[in-house]
Order: sequence, then structure tokens, then C-alpha cells
Amino acid sequence: AAGVIQSPRHLIKEKRETATLKCYPIPRHDTVYWYQQGPGQDPQFLISFYEKMQSDKGSIPDRFSAQQFSDYHSELNMSSLELGDSALYFCASTTSSRDRGNTIYFGEGSWLTVV
Amino acid sequence: AQSVTQLGSHVSVSEGALVLLRCNYSSSVPPYLFWYVQYPNQGLQLLLKYTSAATLVKGINGFEAEFKKSETSFHLTKPSAHMSDAAEYFCAVRVRGGKLIFGQGTELSVKP
Repeated sequence: AAGVIQSPRHLIKEKRETATLKCYPIPRHDTVYWYQQGPGQDPQFLISFYEKMQSDKGSIPDRFSAQQFSDYHSELNMSSLELGDSALYFCASTTSSRDRGNTIYFGEGSWLTVV
Repeated sequence: AQSVTQLGSHVSVSEGALVLLRCNYSSSVPPYLFWYVQYPNQGLQLLLKYTSAATLVKGINGFEAEFKKSETSFHLTKPSAHMSDAAEYFCAVRVRGGKLIFGQGTELSVKP
């Protein structure tokens, strides 16, 4: 079965550079979530989209932005990168986020290292 | 606000022993609770979920969890640990709006 696809899997950037992470949800999933997991930390919610509209916002820095496109894939854009942005970034998807019983499926994550 | 608390950031068991990972929730509405496992350098995989149906939920890899409203708990258990169970385990609650709020995680080590 198709899973959530994230690219790139690994990314190394220098401070003050920009990075873009991509997420391709499971087919027919209409909701995408982005999470950030620092070393030894639990995943922290950043932002979510439902039917291409932002549906919720968490602890996402102003330097970060995201959007969901017509084909439901999503991109997380990170600018003015800081060392503290080094983390594993997860994308997750589900159908009908209003049904809290639906499973949220996670991608393998994108490792961002800022040097 | 809804939240989950995992007791014990690290649990160590011997191979073949009982695994018990603790999770307590805080919620003013019926919670939707999930357990995810994360192997080193990998993503989050769903083990099982509670969605207000049966209170004893069976998941993959021999894991199960019991929802106890009186104790506000959703502990994860496995009768006999295997070396391949060594991983990080996260309890999570699904809040209104749909996002998951995770606990702090419990690292499970399995000794031969």
C-alpha cells in the first residue's frame, strides 16, 4: 500500500540558508500535518492543512511557511535557517480530520542538519 | 486542554519478560488515544488506537493496551519482549481539529 512520501530524506544546509521539504500524502487523503522532532524530543505539531486550506497552526516559527497544492502534496519552506532548526521533520496524512478515530499515517521524515 | 503523560523515559526489560509502558491522559471529552513506535532513524508507525469502542485494544507485533477511564490510563503491554521491540514508544491523544499531541516518549531497551 502507498505510504506518505517525503523528500528529501536528508538535507544539509548552512545557517541563514533556505530549505524546502516536500510531502506527498497517501492517495485520497485530504489532510496533511507537519511535525518537528528535535533530538531526543517528542514530535511537535507545526501546521496542518485540510482540503488545501490551513486548518491549524502550532509552534511554527514565522521564518517557516507551508502550503498544500491542488494535488494535495504539501511543502514546508524554511528560511533564515538556524542551528536550532536541525531536526527530523515529519509529514503525516489522514482522511477527514474531523473524525478523530481515523488513523494518521506518518512518513519516514526528512532529516535537516543546519551547520 | 488535552494531553498525555508517559511515566518513565526509559524502560529496560529482559527478553521474554513482560513489557509495560505507562500512559495517562487528561481530557474533558472522550479521548481518542494512540500508541506509535519509532525505530532508530525511522518514522512513526501506528501500533494501536482507542476510539471509544472496545476498551482492550490489540495492535501489531503482539502489543495491546487497555483504556481505563477510572484511572485515566492507556498503558501499553506485551506479554513477552523480543529484541526487535527495542525502540521509542509514543502515546498520543487526538484533539479537536485533528492533530495529535504526543507524550514525551519512552525508550524501551531489551536485554538478552
